[in-house]
Amino acid sequence: DGGITQSPKYLFRKEGQNVTLSCEQNLNHDAMYWYRQDPGQGLRLIYYSQIVNDFQKGDIAEGYSVSREKKESFPLTVTSAQKNPTAFYLCASSTGLGTDTQYFGPGTRLTVL
Amino acid sequence: SQQGEEDPQALSIQEGENATMNCSYKTSINNLQWYRQNSGRGLVHLILIRSNEREKHSGRLRVTLDTSKKSSSLLITASRAADTASYFCATAETGANNLFFGTGTRLTVIP
Repeated sequence: DGGITQSPKYLFRKEGQNVTLSCEQNLNHDAMYWYRQDPGQGLRLIYYSQIVNDFQKGDIAEGYSVSREKKESFPLTVTSAQKNPTAFYLCASSTGLGTDTQYFGPGTRLTVL
Repeated sequence: SQQGEEDPQALSIQEGENATMNCSYKTSINNLQWYRQNSGRGLVHLILIRSNEREKHSGRLRVTLDTSKKSSSLLITASRAADTASYFCATAETGANNLFFGTGTRLTVIP
């Protein structure tokens, strides 16, 4: 099965803790993205990567960090510097240009206790 | 970033009726895409229309694009209860590396 997976589905974090959200794809896509979605809202871009070992900040990168050591993987770390991290996080990938069709994972719901 | 604006924010119709959602944007684009999101799930790509296209069909979906008015519409014909979801437009702005997503239209189809 080709696709994009995210884990875990639900994640609970205490204030002051860093957490890492996993995103893996076996679609052989070059580009990967992280979005944040708040209730009733659209998607806001956190970080994106168009190639291995390179990534760019999106509109709301503060308090987040990423790495892209492998083509298949693009983990997102939510740091303690992110003041309001409770949200639904979506990972996506595309073949190349960011303006191509994007394929989304099922999402991770992060709740800060 | 320039997000598309969907209209209406919410739409409730009876099964069998047609549903029309609109998207307006502000800049020049290479393409415009529509996505669907079931509650608590990821987005699913529905259709992509390029800036030199005016209309596109896919099954019960019909998308139009008017670049002079910077607007697009998504028509779902003969709606079903399973069409209940949020629908987002996403614009691929000229020169940009990413898509810009709107805030979505929440469609409820009543059986």
